[in-house]
Amino acid sequence: EIVMTQSPATLSVSPGESATLSCRATQSVSSNLAWYQQKPGQAPRLLIYGASTRATDIPARFSGSGSGTEFTLTISSLQSEDFAVYYCQQYNNWPPRELTFGGGTKVEIK
Amino acid sequence: QVQLVQSGAEVKKPGASVKVSCKASGYTFTGFYIHWVRQAPGQGLEWMGWINPNGGGTNYAQKFQGRVTMTRDTSISTAYMEVSGLNSDDTAVYFCARPRWTCSSGSCYGHWLDPWGQGTLVTVSS
Repeated sequence: EIVMTQSPATLSVSPGESATLSCRATQSVSSNLAWYQQKPGQAPRLLIYGASTRATDIPARFSGSGSGTEFTLTISSLQSEDFAVYYCQQYNNWPPRELTFGGGTKVEIK
Repeated sequence: QVQLVQSGAEVKKPGASVKVSCKASGYTFTGFYIHWVRQAPGQGLEWMGWINPNGGGTNYAQKFQGRVTMTRDTSISTAYMEVSGLNSDDTAVYFCARPRWTCSSGSCYGHWLDPWGQGTLVTVSS
């Protein structure tokens, strides 16, 4: 099983600042990685797939990078609506035999 | 638009079973797998497995094998996920989600999940 580890668990950021979230895999997943945003009481929302491709209607302040085992989600100039929990998810192999999620990073207002 | 609508909240006693439904609309139901993901209170996302509505093939996470059954009814574009032998650790919100993928030069890559259902809260309590 591929284990995904996210860091930090909590990130305190002031509005207007940028945030950098990390996600690490226990083995290479190439670029087969997605990022999601989840707000309380809501379903997750797809932000990024293919490690760096923004999903439809996702603002340009969200960017993803990385490949292999190390990935980063950067949120530039944080807006009030960006304070949420973020999850990474790997989907290695085709069709995927398993999907695994990271434990999440909570981005909170400083 | 593509939409997944799940059944309502459930309260079950330990040892019972629960069956959650996920009705798809806005696309060809048999053209896309359905994944199930759960989230215990205050915890992260946990993948449970998928079902291929075209044929009914399934793949479960090892943790849930023998206790989870995923089925579908193509006549009403609905997927189902049943968990048996419930205990308090199964108290969670259960989500269904449709995967997406891309194919290029004979190779395909996926599944990232979009959209998701609204979630179904299952509470296990005596």
